[in-house]
Amino acid sequence: GESVGLHLPTLSVQEGDNSIINCAYSNSASDYFIWYKQESGKGPQFIIDIRSNMDKRQGQRVTVLLNKTVKHLSLQIAATQPGDSAVYFCAENIPNFGNEKLTFGTGTRLTIIP
Amino acid sequence: EAGVVQSPRYKIIEKKQPVAFWCNPISGHNTLYWYRQNLGQGPELLIRYENEEAVDDSQLPKDRFSAERLKGVDSTLKIQPAELGDSAVYLCASSLQGFGYTFGSGTRLTVV
Repeated sequence: GESVGLHLPTLSVQEGDNSIINCAYSNSASDYFIWYKQESGKGPQFIIDIRSNMDKRQGQRVTVLLNKTVKHLSLQIAATQPGDSAVYFCAENIPNFGNEKLTFGTGTRLTIIP
Repeated sequence: EAGVVQSPRYKIIEKKQPVAFWCNPISGHNTLYWYRQNLGQGPELLIRYENEEAVDDSQLPKDRFSAERLKGVDSTLKIQPAELGDSAVYLCASSLQGFGYTFGSGTRLTVV
């Protein structure tokens, strides 16, 4: 299958363990953040989002933490499964008077070891 | 719901040839985006439509790239002529009022 990224930061985690993927964003004015999962040969898939007025949001097995002070975002995946293996991107929405733009980070390749 | 549908999935063309990609967004989504994703990188926005109007095409290389969204539903992205550096995955996404971004599976273009 297609390989989305050959030179991405990588993270390997034992199946069943928790994983944390980090992201530094660029613009202090960004008001909305999204984590995407991209499997080989597929488009990015929405995982979880968070607005800038929050510092934590939880979903099913996933938690996003936002630290606006240091412009840092993290995605925690609990009890990882083989299907979690993918490239994960954070994206920030930069407001611009109705012309908002979603800007993606470089991505991290997560590999779950059975 | 079918999601965002793109075609073709793969395209191989010789340089200097034209190529076109098609996208059908999620029904009811007024905003449509075309992104380009180079190997090892995140997607980069090429153009954004609000209904049939292109509201942000600042990153679209207008000398060779063009796009249209007639009737504010499906959209086509064209490259003419293609160059070797255009090899990438071209992603379409749609949203409702800027939220709920949903991506299609993309078209992998290889220019030889």
